[in-house]
Amino acid sequence: DSGVTQTPKHLITATGQRVTLRCSPRSGDLSVYWYQQSLDQGLQFLIQYYNGEERAKGNILERFSAQQFPDLHSELNLSSLELGDSALYFCASSAVAGSVSYGNTEAFFGQGTRLTVV
Amino acid sequence: AQKVTQAQTEISVVEKEDVTLDCVYETRDTTYYLFWYKQPPSGELVFLIRRNSFDEQNEISGRYSWNFQKSTSSFNFTITASQVVDSAVYFCALRAGNRDDKIIFGKGTRLHILP
Repeated sequence: DSGVTQTPKHLITATGQRVTLRCSPRSGDLSVYWYQQSLDQGLQFLIQYYNGEERAKGNILERFSAQQFPDLHSELNLSSLELGDSALYFCASSAVAGSVSYGNTEAFFGQGTRLTVV
Repeated sequence: AQKVTQAQTEISVVEKEDVTLDCVYETRDTTYYLFWYKQPPSGELVFLIRRNSFDEQNEISGRYSWNFQKSTSSFNFTITASQVVDSAVYFCALRAGNRDDKIIFGKGTRLHILP
């Protein structure tokens, strides 16, 4: 158990709909990352939040958005869903507050949310 | 630009054989971190190892060992005496810089250990 919790584990929805994926990071971790894993694209970095602020953006579509709340949990919102959005979405966390070198820490991943758009 | 290349898409070996998974990385940062993650058939991503750019010592953990060579920008992973439970997709990854910035993943190597 990595300590990162993602809900729901599975989600099936129709094209055009909107869904919200939720992530609770490990206790004390300030950074949350979202990744998308599809068969042909591998693990793609979407976005990172650090202590409530957006820190880095990757290949995230404009239809997707995320936020990190004061309690450090994060939500990834996917809207106007298309068939191609079907994928496994991972959340990861790292960087315990007070770490001397934030880079010198691994990211721990949740179990993922498998999204199927039909 | 940062990049991780895992040239081996899929490897099959018979149980008890040794197998090496290759990883080549690119970064202009002098400080960076390299990782290996395992994704078993159940789907979760399991952290295996982190290595920073200033530590080129090889690491051994049981049947697993890692060879980090800055001269060739490689961070290869060897499983000795492979077991069926080692069957998984293995990802090499890179974080550049000295903050907890994003980790860039290679496309993974699918490893099949045949009984």
